[in-house]
Amino acid sequence: QVQLVESGGGVVKPGGSLRLSCEVSGFTFRDYYMTWIRQAPGKGLEWVAYIGSRSSFLKYADSVKGRLTISRDDAKQSLYLQMNSLRAEDTALYYCGRIDRDRDSGYYVDYWGQGILVTVSS
Amino acid sequence: DIQMTQFPSSVSASVGDRVTITCRASQGISQGLSDWLAWYQQRPGKAPKLLIYGASSLESGVPSRFSGSASGTDFTLTINSLQPEDFATYYCQLANSFFPLTFGGGTKVELK
Repeated sequence: QVQLVESGGGVVKPGGSLRLSCEVSGFTFRDYYMTWIRQAPGKGLEWVAYIGSRSSFLKYADSVKGRLTISRDDAKQSLYLQMNSLRAEDTALYYCGRIDRDRDSGYYVDYWGQGILVTVSS
Repeated sequence: DIQMTQFPSSVSASVGDRVTITCRASQGISQGLSDWLAWYQQRPGKAPKLLIYGASSLESGVPSRFSGSASGTDFTLTINSLQPEDFATYYCQLANSFFPLTFGGGTKVELK
């Protein structure tokens, strides 16, 4: 079955860096767009970034542009989020998700990881 | 950028009630892009779950008491005969290629 497992979260000081990983199984990773979506404590969902299949293109939310970088390693079936220059407002639960575009070419997140917590605090 | 406004932000209901949640786009969406909308359910402490895609298509395994519709810039999620497991927070998400993954603010369905 499809599984997405995030790792790499933790507590980091403002201005610090962290790298999140998402290891997937149960589907042909290279064929799918993938995304990171975050949720601040007690708040709603906020899209962070997505990457096309075979790293065809990347797109970022304005709030993270220039600081967070999404990447993928198809051989390792893994998605990454390099987080630099972290701010308090980046504190959130970070979910990796699979985007299914086969239904009608829309961007639907049909599988989600369990989420990994990132806390930015001095 | 388009903003998706969901209302109400919370609703109190009883088991068996019908609940309607609306999501409105801040600007008109082109006719050809208007059906690209999804609805998700998020239970406390859990990851979101896809319920509806294409504005009105039910995801596999989702009970038929959930339905979605679209009219102009308004998108509606209806839950008929609310069940105990339906008390959760619901999010809409614009899913077209110009504004992919734009989420609404969420609607919490609470027990009255």
